Amino acid sequence: NAGVMQNPRHLVRRRGQEARLRCSPMKGHSHVYWYRQLPEEGLKFMVYLQKENIIDESGMPKERFSAEFPKEGPSILRIQQVVRGDSAAYFCASSPIAGAIQETQYFGPGTRLLVL
Amino acid sequence: KNEVEQSPQNLTAQEGEFITINCSYSVGISALHWLQQHPGGGIVSLFMLSSGKKKHGRLIATINIQEKHSSLHITASHPRDSAVYICAVRGGTSYGKLTFGQGTILTVHP
Repeated sequence: NAGVMQNPRHLVRRRGQEARLRCSPMKGHSHVYWYRQLPEEGLKFMVYLQKENIIDESGMPKERFSAEFPKEGPSILRIQQVVRGDSAAYFCASSPIAGAIQETQYFGPGTRLLVL
Repeated sequence: KNEVEQSPQNLTAQEGEFITINCSYSVGISALHWLQQHPGGGIVSLFMLSSGKKKHGRLIATINIQEKHSSLHITASHPRDSAVYICAVRGGTSYGKLTFGQGTILTVHP
């Protein structure tokens, strides 16, 4: 059973371009979380999705950022018109169930985004 | 004040030493996670606790819900334990949204 996959692992974009980050959860997992780790800062929650639904996007910046988790295919975190402040490591995590006391999240390797 | 505070922020040890990393939180939680992150690397979940104590190899994690405090212990530390250790709490939502501490940078010298 492959772990959580993220691609690309490294992404370089110029200011104003779009960045698309992909996350394939572990097989059988239908819950995906995206987290961001800014340089010299801790991890911060961005968004929680179930298949085809955004459940909690309270950590997402209001503009330029969007996320989806379609019925088929990976979850996508999309950043439009990137700025230098978007440079960070973006991690996704998946879990098979939500809310159960034994819920464990499995993290992907992250995508390091660098905006020039 | 952050909802999750870790101490120390940096920790240096000699190989073989017993190590303790502390985590205090100020909100009600349903579970607490300890995570490990190597430089430039991914994140590995070490433990998830809702009460008591768990042990895995040389790692031990404890939690005191009443005192809102958790500790991660490493016995017989080794240079390969050098990493960032992160405490994260799951709050009162019905799903696993995590709030993270700032992390503790551990360096173990041979």
